[in-house]
Amino acid sequence: AQTVTQSQPEMSVQEAETVTLSCTYDTSESDYYLFWYKQPPSRQMILVIRQEAYKQQNATENRFSVNFQKAAKSFSLKISDSQLGDAAMYFCAYLSRGATNKLIFGTGTLLAVQP
Amino acid sequence: KAGVTQTPRYLIKTRGQQVTLSCSPISGHRSVSWYQQTPGQGLQFLFEYFSETQRNKGNFPGRFSGRQFSNSRSEMNVSTLELGDSALYLCASSPGLAAVGDTQYFGPGTRLTVL
Repeated sequence: AQTVTQSQPEMSVQEAETVTLSCTYDTSESDYYLFWYKQPPSRQMILVIRQEAYKQQNATENRFSVNFQKAAKSFSLKISDSQLGDAAMYFCAYLSRGATNKLIFGTGTLLAVQP
Repeated sequence: KAGVTQTPRYLIKTRGQQVTLSCSPISGHRSVSWYQQTPGQGLQFLFEYFSETQRNKGNFPGRFSGRQFSNSRSEMNVSTLELGDSALYLCASSPGLAAVGDTQYFGPGTRLTVL
C-alpha cells in the first residue's frame, strides 16, 4: 500500500522569503501522480501543483515549484516570495495511475506567514 | 465554469440519526470522490463514483454509502450516526479519466457535528 509522509507539522516563513515543505512517499508503482493541495482557514481544498512521475522536469506554477526526486521518493514544495495569503495547511497527495481516483494524503504542514 | 458545490454546508445531528450529503460536480465531470477529514485520522478516502457506479471504496463501515445520479450529482449517506462521524466531508470531482491521472477539484465541504 502507498503511504505519504509529511514530517513537518508546522512551518513559519517571513513575508517575501522562500520556504520549502517536505513530502516523502512509499510506493512500488512506477507510474503515478503527485499533488500539493492548500487548505486555508475556509477549509476549501485548492490545487497548488501537480507532477507526473514519468516526467523528469519539475513542475512549476508561478511562485510554486516542486523538487521531485523519484529515486528518493521525495516531493518537496518550494514557495518563493511568500505572501500572507499563502498561510494555510498544505497537503501532499499521491494518486496511482489506474482505474480509480483514490487520493492518498499526508498529514499536512501548517504554514504561517509572518508580516 | 462553476465549481464543485456541496450542500448543506453545516449539519448538526444526534447519535443514531441518519444524514444525507449532496455534491454537484463541475459540469462535464463524471467522477465524484468523497473524503472524510478529522483531526485524528486526517483525510481519508470514502468512495468514488463514476458513471453511476462505485469504482472504489475506502475502509469504512457499511453505514457509509453513496450513489451517483445520471447527471453526475452524488449523495452520500451515513446511517446510525456515531460521535466519531463528526467530521468535514469533502467531495471532489474530476473528468473520470483515472487512467491518465485525473486532477480532482474539491468542494467547500460539509461540516457534520454529531451530538
